Amino acid sequence: EVQLVESGGGLVQPGRSLRLSCTASGFTFGDYAMSWVRQAPGKGLEWVGFIRSKAYGGTTEYAASVKGRFTISRDDSKSIAYLQMNSLKTEDTAVYYCTRGSAGTLLNWGQGTLVTVSS
Amino acid sequence: DIQMTQSPSSLSASVGDRVTITCQASQDISNYLNWYQQKPGKAPKLLIYDASNLETGVPSRFSGSGSGTDFTFTISSLQPEDIATYYCQQYDNLRGLTFGGGTKVEIK
Repeated sequence: EVQLVESGGGLVQPGRSLRLSCTASGFTFGDYAMSWVRQAPGKGLEWVGFIRSKAYGGTTEYAASVKGRFTISRDDSKSIAYLQMNSLKTEDTAVYYCTRGSAGTLLNWGQGTLVTVSS
Repeated sequence: DIQMTQSPSSLSASVGDRVTITCQASQDISNYLNWYQQKPGKAPKLLIYDASNLETGVPSRFSGSGSGTDFTFTISSLQPEDIATYYCQQYDNLRGLTFGGGTKVEIK
Protein backbone atom coordinates (compact mmCIF):
# COMPACT_ATOMS: atom_id res chain seq x y z
CA GLU A 1 0.00 0.00 0.00
CA VAL A 2 1.32 3.42 -0.97
CA GLN A 3 1.74 5.73 2.01
CA LEU A 4 2.88 9.34 2.07
CA VAL A 5 3.33 11.01 5.43
CA GLU A 6 4.06 14.73 5.66
CA SER A 7 5.68 16.30 8.68
CA GLY A 8 7.27 19.56 9.73
CA GLY A 9 4.30 21.89 9.62
CA GLY A 10 3.49 24.40 12.31
CA LEU A 11 3.33 28.07 13.19
CA VAL A 12 6.08 30.29 11.81
CA GLN A 13 6.60 34.03 11.66
CA PRO A 14 6.63 35.92 8.36
CA GLY A 15 10.08 36.01 6.79
CA ARG A 16 11.22 32.84 8.53
CA SER A 17 11.90 29.39 7.07
CA LEU A 18 10.40 25.94 7.46
CA ARG A 19 11.20 22.55 5.98
CA LEU A 20 8.54 19.96 5.30
CA SER A 21 9.30 16.28 4.86
CA CYS A 22 7.35 13.60 3.03
CA THR A 23 8.20 10.03 4.00
CA ALA A 24 7.09 7.48 1.43
CA SER A 25 6.54 3.74 1.53
CA GLY A 26 4.86 1.03 -0.49
CA PHE A 27 6.50 1.81 -3.84
CA THR A 28 9.91 2.30 -5.44
CA PHE A 29 10.39 5.94 -4.45
CA GLY A 30 13.18 6.67 -6.91
CA ASP A 31 11.00 5.77 -9.91
CA TYR A 32 8.49 8.59 -9.38
CA ALA A 33 8.23 12.34 -9.51
CA MET A 34 7.13 13.92 -6.25
CA SER A 35 4.94 17.00 -6.13
CA TRP A 36 3.78 19.39 -3.46
CA VAL A 37 0.29 20.89 -3.61
CA ARG A 38 -1.16 23.34 -1.10
CA GLN A 39 -4.62 24.43 -0.06
CA ALA A 40 -5.25 27.67 1.79
CA PRO A 41 -8.05 27.55 4.36
CA GLY A 42 -11.40 27.32 2.58
CA LYS A 43 -9.76 27.63 -0.85
CA GLY A 44 -8.96 25.39 -3.80
CA LEU A 45 -5.88 23.41 -4.69
CA GLU A 46 -2.67 25.12 -5.80
CA TRP A 47 0.27 23.26 -7.28
CA VAL A 48 3.54 24.31 -5.59
CA GLY A 49 6.17 22.37 -7.49
CA PHE A 50 7.64 18.98 -8.30
CA ILE A 51 10.90 17.13 -8.58
CA ARG A 52 11.41 14.61 -11.35
CA SER A 53 12.89 11.20 -10.78
CA LYS A 54 16.63 10.75 -11.32
CA ALA A 55 15.81 8.96 -14.59
CA TYR A 56 14.45 12.27 -15.84
CA GLY A 57 17.26 14.34 -14.43
CA GLY A 58 15.92 14.94 -10.94
CA THR A 59 15.11 18.50 -12.01
CA THR A 60 12.51 20.73 -10.44
CA GLU A 61 9.68 23.05 -11.51
CA TYR A 62 7.86 25.59 -9.37
CA ALA A 63 4.77 27.73 -9.41
CA ALA A 64 5.44 31.40 -10.01
CA SER A 65 4.09 32.23 -6.54
CA VAL A 66 6.90 30.32 -4.79
CA LYS A 67 9.75 30.35 -7.31
CA GLY A 68 12.95 31.63 -5.73
CA ARG A 69 11.64 31.07 -2.20
CA PHE A 70 10.80 27.34 -2.12
CA THR A 71 13.09 24.43 -2.97
CA ILE A 72 12.12 20.81 -3.46
CA SER A 73 14.67 18.04 -3.00
CA ARG A 74 14.68 14.29 -2.56
CA ASP A 75 16.69 11.58 -0.84
CA ASP A 76 15.98 8.38 -2.71
CA SER A 77 18.02 6.32 -0.24
CA LYS A 78 15.59 7.32 2.53
CA SER A 79 12.42 7.62 0.39
CA ILE A 80 11.90 11.18 1.55
CA ALA A 81 10.97 14.32 -0.37
CA TYR A 82 11.52 17.76 1.12
CA LEU A 83 10.01 21.19 0.69
CA GLN A 84 12.27 23.95 1.96
CA MET A 85 10.28 27.15 2.37
CA ASN A 86 12.14 30.42 2.87
CA SER A 87 10.98 34.02 3.23
CA LEU A 88 7.54 32.82 4.21
CA LYS A 89 4.57 35.12 3.74
CA THR A 90 1.16 35.13 5.39
CA GLU A 91 -0.33 34.02 2.06
CA ASP A 92 1.69 30.79 2.27
CA THR A 93 -0.61 29.66 5.08
CA ALA A 94 -2.11 26.38 3.87
CA VAL A 95 -2.28 22.64 4.21
CA TYR A 96 0.62 21.24 2.23
CA TYR A 97 0.14 17.89 0.52
CA CYS A 98 2.85 15.61 -0.78
CA THR A 99 1.93 13.58 -3.85
CA ARG A 100 3.37 10.75 -5.92
CA GLY A 101 3.21 11.60 -9.58
CA SER A 102 3.53 10.07 -12.99
CA ALA A 103 3.67 12.27 -16.08
CA GLY A 104 1.67 15.03 -14.45
CA THR A 105 -0.94 12.82 -12.81
CA LEU A 106 -1.02 12.92 -9.01
CA LEU A 107 -1.56 9.26 -8.20
CA ASN A 108 -1.46 9.32 -4.40
CA TRP A 109 -1.69 12.04 -1.75
CA GLY A 110 -0.54 12.31 1.83
CA GLN A 111 -2.84 13.50 4.59
CA GLY A 112 -1.31 16.97 4.55
CA THR A 113 0.45 19.15 7.09
CA LEU A 114 -0.71 22.61 8.12
CA VAL A 115 1.63 25.57 7.82
CA THR A 116 0.51 28.79 9.48
CA VAL A 117 2.48 31.95 8.79
CA SER A 118 1.61 34.59 11.34
CA SER A 119 3.26 37.00 13.72
CA ASP B 1 0.46 29.78 -18.19
CA ILE B 2 -2.52 27.56 -18.92
CA GLN B 3 -5.68 28.56 -17.07
CA MET B 4 -8.45 26.12 -16.21
CA THR B 5 -12.02 27.40 -15.92
CA GLN B 6 -14.27 24.99 -14.07
CA SER B 7 -18.04 25.31 -13.77
CA PRO B 8 -20.26 25.43 -11.93
CA SER B 9 -18.54 26.37 -8.68
CA SER B 10 -21.25 24.55 -6.78
CA LEU B 11 -24.32 22.50 -7.46
CA SER B 12 -27.10 20.78 -5.57
CA ALA B 13 -28.69 17.61 -6.92
CA SER B 14 -30.86 14.76 -5.73
CA VAL B 15 -29.71 11.21 -5.12
CA GLY B 16 -29.89 9.38 -8.44
CA ASP B 17 -29.48 12.51 -10.55
CA ARG B 18 -26.96 12.82 -13.36
CA VAL B 19 -24.36 15.45 -12.49
CA THR B 20 -22.10 17.16 -15.03
CA ILE B 21 -19.11 19.41 -14.41
CA THR B 22 -17.16 21.15 -17.15
CA CYS B 23 -13.58 22.34 -17.36
CA GLN B 24 -12.20 24.59 -20.08
CA ALA B 25 -8.50 25.09 -20.77
CA SER B 26 -7.13 28.39 -22.04
CA GLN B 27 -5.29 26.51 -24.79
CA ASP B 28 -5.19 23.06 -26.36
CA ILE B 29 -4.03 20.48 -23.80
CA SER B 30 -4.86 17.36 -25.83
CA ASN B 31 -6.11 14.84 -23.24
CA TYR B 32 -3.76 15.87 -20.43
CA LEU B 33 -6.56 16.37 -17.97
CA ASN B 34 -7.28 14.66 -14.65
CA TRP B 35 -10.18 14.79 -12.20
CA TYR B 36 -9.91 14.54 -8.40
CA GLN B 37 -12.42 14.18 -5.60
CA GLN B 38 -11.88 15.83 -2.22
CA LYS B 39 -14.20 14.94 0.62
CA PRO B 40 -14.44 17.35 3.57
CA GLY B 41 -11.36 17.24 5.76
CA LYS B 42 -9.63 14.71 3.53
CA ALA B 43 -6.88 14.69 0.93
CA PRO B 44 -7.87 14.68 -2.74
CA LYS B 45 -8.15 11.38 -4.59
CA LEU B 46 -7.55 10.69 -8.27
CA LEU B 47 -10.71 9.56 -10.09
CA ILE B 48 -10.08 10.06 -13.81
CA TYR B 49 -6.77 10.40 -15.66
CA ASP B 50 -5.98 11.38 -19.24
CA ALA B 51 -9.47 12.84 -19.61
CA SER B 52 -11.42 9.59 -19.76
CA ASN B 53 -9.62 6.76 -17.98
CA LEU B 54 -11.13 5.53 -14.73
CA GLU B 55 -8.59 5.00 -11.96
CA THR B 56 -8.54 1.47 -10.53
CA GLY B 57 -11.17 0.95 -7.86
CA VAL B 58 -13.24 4.01 -8.76
CA PRO B 59 -16.96 3.27 -9.29
CA SER B 60 -18.12 3.19 -12.88
CA ARG B 61 -20.75 5.89 -12.26
CA PHE B 62 -17.86 8.35 -12.61
CA SER B 63 -16.72 9.20 -16.13
CA GLY B 64 -14.83 11.82 -18.07
CA SER B 65 -14.66 12.97 -21.66
CA GLY B 66 -13.23 15.65 -23.89
CA SER B 67 -10.03 16.73 -25.56
CA GLY B 68 -8.38 19.91 -26.68
CA THR B 69 -9.87 22.67 -24.54
CA ASP B 70 -13.24 21.34 -23.39
CA PHE B 71 -13.74 18.56 -20.87
CA THR B 72 -16.65 17.05 -18.99
CA PHE B 73 -16.87 15.05 -15.77
CA THR B 74 -20.06 13.11 -15.10
CA ILE B 75 -21.58 11.25 -12.19
CA SER B 76 -24.27 9.11 -13.80
CA SER B 77 -26.30 8.54 -10.64
CA LEU B 78 -25.39 10.71 -7.65
CA GLN B 79 -24.92 8.84 -4.39
CA PRO B 80 -24.77 10.29 -0.86
CA GLU B 81 -21.10 9.33 -0.58
CA ASP B 82 -20.29 11.49 -3.62
CA ILE B 83 -20.67 14.67 -1.58
CA ALA B 84 -17.33 16.34 -2.18
CA THR B 85 -15.50 19.02 -4.11
CA TYR B 86 -14.25 17.98 -7.53
CA TYR B 87 -11.22 19.48 -9.26
CA CYS B 88 -9.88 19.25 -12.79
CA GLN B 89 -6.12 19.51 -13.34
CA GLN B 90 -4.03 19.89 -16.49
CA TYR B 91 -0.43 18.89 -17.13
CA ASP B 92 0.11 19.82 -20.75
CA ASN B 93 3.72 21.00 -20.76
CA LEU B 94 5.04 19.07 -17.74
CA ARG B 95 6.61 22.27 -16.50
CA GLY B 96 3.68 23.02 -14.32
CA LEU B 97 0.30 21.81 -13.26
CA THR B 98 -2.88 23.85 -12.97
CA PHE B 99 -6.07 23.09 -11.11
CA GLY B 100 -9.55 24.32 -11.85
CA GLY B 101 -11.32 26.27 -9.15
CA GLY B 102 -13.34 23.30 -7.94
CA THR B 103 -17.00 22.29 -7.91
CA LYS B 104 -18.72 21.63 -4.61
CA VAL B 105 -21.40 18.96 -4.99
CA GLU B 106 -24.20 18.82 -2.42
CA ILE B 107 -27.32 16.73 -2.00
CA LYS B 108 -30.63 18.54 -2.50
